[in-house]
Amino acid sequence: AQSVTQLGSHVSVSEGALVLLRCNYSSSVPPYLFWYVQYPNQGLQLLLKYTSAATLVKGINGFEAEFKKSETSFHLTKPSAHMSDAAEYFCAVRSPLGSYIPTFGRGTSLIVHP
Amino acid sequence: DTGVSQDPRHKITKRGQNVTFRCDPISEHNRLYWYRQTLGQGPEFLTYFQNEAQLEKSRLLSDRFSAERPKGSFSTLEIQRTEQGDSAMYLCASSLAAVGTEAFFGQGTRLTVV
Repeated sequence: AQSVTQLGSHVSVSEGALVLLRCNYSSSVPPYLFWYVQYPNQGLQLLLKYTSAATLVKGINGFEAEFKKSETSFHLTKPSAHMSDAAEYFCAVRSPLGSYIPTFGRGTSLIVHP
Repeated sequence: DTGVSQDPRHKITKRGQNVTFRCDPISEHNRLYWYRQTLGQGPEFLTYFQNEAQLEKSRLLSDRFSAERPKGSFSTLEIQRTEQGDSAMYLCASSLAAVGTEAFFGQGTRLTVV
């Protein structure tokens, strides 16, 4: 079975500071990994995805994530936080085998202080 | 293409009533997923379709829930005899069946059972 764990339900940063949102996965085979963002009362929007090509993946809005197999991690980073980055962020895993159903973590709420 | 659309965006119903939600996926996507999301949680998988076939259902999908996707296009999710515990955001997503592709989400239907 596949799963993801997002460490920290809330992360608070100052505007301009580094953003680091953590995601660890569990999968019996090398998975496909995704980060989504959700604004209040909205659906989920894809930020970036890892599909076994480059381990450092660049996404929209200046976000990037690095796949580290040895650490089973796929942490999301952004060098400089903006007020508009305040939202809920979800890590998701999708196995390359079987039904390919995306499984989501519980989410991390990013709070950006002026 | 206008993306995944869901209708209605909000629904308030009395306990015991039946409700039905509709999802229109991206037209070329043959996979359609339903998820449920409660406050402070990530999306939880309910069921998915490949074309018109419902291929998997979660244990979360009780007998009061039923989903259809006639002709492999739009889908409906019906909840019979609603309970207060059914209050949640119901998210629909669609994707291609190809490995590594991401799911695209609608804006969700927020259900409140009073």
